Amino acid sequence: GQQLNQSPQSMFIQEGEDVSMNCTSSSIFNTWLWYKQDPGEGPVLLIALYKAGELTSNGRLTAQFGITRKDSFLNISASIPSDVGIYFCAAQSNFGNEKLTFGTGTRLTIIP
Amino acid sequence: ETGVTQTPRHLVMGMTNKKSLKCEQHLGHNAMYWYKQSAKKPLELMFVYNFKEQTENNSVPSRFSPECPNSSHLFLHLHTLQPEDSALYLCASSQTLSEQYFGPGTRLTVT
Repeated sequence: GQQLNQSPQSMFIQEGEDVSMNCTSSSIFNTWLWYKQDPGEGPVLLIALYKAGELTSNGRLTAQFGITRKDSFLNISASIPSDVGIYFCAAQSNFGNEKLTFGTGTRLTIIP
Repeated sequence: ETGVTQTPRHLVMGMTNKKSLKCEQHLGHNAMYWYKQSAKKPLELMFVYNFKEQTENNSVPSRFSPECPNSSHLFLHLHTLQPEDSALYLCASSQTLSEQYFGPGTRLTVT
């Protein structure tokens, strides 16, 4: 079945550093989404991407839809303490299957 | 953020109990979803409802029984659960069947 490989699994950074994470697959997708989940809460949608090559920003967050349609990247600039959490990628193929496939998440920790 | 609400937020139940989880969306969406989130595993889709009709049952055991009386409400009825069913149960809704918006989840513990 379709699978999303998200990396890294965890990151330990200092406040102010930039963060990069990615999501790859052997399958082609037509939609990529990035979510953030805080402890004890549900995932919150950060960015949605619908077009190959698309680069979209949401404040300090920037995400890109890979040109091959098989990957996506999320960057966070100048990290702050509230960026701590788990970041999930999700993708949809739109080939008669409307389910979202989720990655296993990247856990971001900020070292004081 | 009160777009999708879930109750209760925490539930502890014995294996012989019957309980229900409730989800309500205030976003005017036409699709609703139940997911199971276990530690160190990707989100697992359980059920999908589109315009109140179930369009997906992802091989979920019959001890989980969904109900969607209208496009704004979704229930998950639980009975004779097993300890491995302990997890965070998330409800989501969407308009386009793509951008899903999640509720805060119900943390379920089966003893």
